[in-house]
Amino acid sequence: DIQMTQSPSSLSASVGDKVTITCRASQTIDIYLSWFQQKPGRAPKLLIYTTSNLHSGVPSRFSGSGSGADFTLTISSLQPEDFATYYCQQSYSTPYTFGQGTKLEIK
Amino acid sequence: EVQLVESGGGLVQPGGSLRLSCAASGFTFSRHWMHWVRQVPGKGLEWVSRIKSDGTRTHYADSVKGRFIISRDNAKNTLYLQMSSLTDEDTALYYCVRDFPEGPTRLDYWGQGTLVAVSS
Repeated sequence: DIQMTQSPSSLSASVGDKVTITCRASQTIDIYLSWFQQKPGRAPKLLIYTTSNLHSGVPSRFSGSGSGADFTLTISSLQPEDFATYYCQQSYSTPYTFGQGTKLEIK
Repeated sequence: EVQLVESGGGLVQPGGSLRLSCAASGFTFSRHWMHWVRQVPGKGLEWVSRIKSDGTRTHYADSVKGRFIISRDNAKNTLYLQMSSLTDEDTALYYCVRDFPEGPTRLDYWGQGTLVAVSS
């Protein structure tokens, strides 16, 4: 199975900050990497698919990059509603696997 | 509006069985691969299973293979997960998730989940 490792596990930042979360796969996954946002008590929401494609309705301050085994999610200017937990997920091969999550908290 | 409504969760004893359902509406269900993803409360996400749009192909996580069966009824717009030989490690919130109908996997809509608790 492909293992997905996110870093950091938690992050404190302020409104307006630029934030980067990384995700590393245990083998190449080409561009088959998605990012999700989850707020407490809510279902996850798709942010980005195939590494860099923004899902419908997602603000442009979110962006993704990478290929092979190393990927990043960047939030260019944090807004109050962005404080949440973020997960990466590979869809290169089943079983699909998620990263352990990065909790983004207000500083 | 896309809606995915899970049901069938509850308290079950170890070794028991349970069938989850997911009623889909607001889109052409028969065009989409569908998935189940679970989450232990307070923990991360775990992909469980997926099924092709016509029901002819299925895939499972190693942790549930041989114990869970995913199926669908396209006439009823409903996805199922039959779970058996349950252990406390299966305790989680189970999400029904839609995959985009074309191109690479894109888990674009999620239900609100149904909670399964395995305990004696």
